[in-house]
Amino acid sequence: DIQMTQSPSSLSASVGDRVSITCRASQSISTYLNWYQQRPGKAPKLLIYAASTLQSGVPSRFSGSGSGTDFILTISSLQSEDFATYYCQQSYSIPHTFGQGTKLEIK
Amino acid sequence: QVQLQESGPGLVKPSATLSLTCSVSGGSISGYYWSWIRQPPGKGLEWIGYMYFGGTTNYNPSLKSRVTISIDTSENQFSLHLSAVTTADTAVYYCTRDWATGYSSGWYYFWGQGTLVTVSS
Repeated sequence: DIQMTQSPSSLSASVGDRVSITCRASQSISTYLNWYQQRPGKAPKLLIYAASTLQSGVPSRFSGSGSGTDFILTISSLQSEDFATYYCQQSYSIPHTFGQGTKLEIK
Repeated sequence: QVQLQESGPGLVKPSATLSLTCSVSGGSISGYYWSWIRQPPGKGLEWIGYMYFGGTTNYNPSLKSRVTISIDTSENQFSLHLSAVTTADTAVYYCTRDWATGYSSGWYYFWGQGTLVTVSS
């Protein structure tokens, strides 16, 4: 299985801040990397697929980059609704695996 | 808009079989890959497996010996069966649909609300 490691595991930030979350794969996955946002008690929501393509309806303050083993999710200017847990997920090979999550909290 | 809804027992005894159904509305089950993903309380997400309406299946090797996913096209629903459960199988179980048509992209766009299944005697 491909292991996905996110950093940091938690992050405190303020509204308006620019934040980045890193995801590293245990082997090269090209750009088969997706990002999800999960609010408490809710199902995950697909934000970005294929490393950098924004899902329809997702605000443009979200962006993704990277290829191979290293990927970054950036939120350019945090809004109150962005405080949630974020997961990366590889779709390069079965089983599809997720990172352990990054909890973004209000400072 | 496609909507998914999980249903099934919220409590299962150890060594029994966990069975859940996902009802699909607002779209056909044909032509897509349908998956189950679970999340133990306070933990991360684990992909369980998928089934294509044409019959292709693929399961997480860690669960493969205990998992079966099936589709009922006449009822527009699909099911998960997980045998010989232990307390480690306690989780919120989500049914999902792949974004792509006809192939597995691994982009899980449509999700059910999730159902908590507790394994306990």
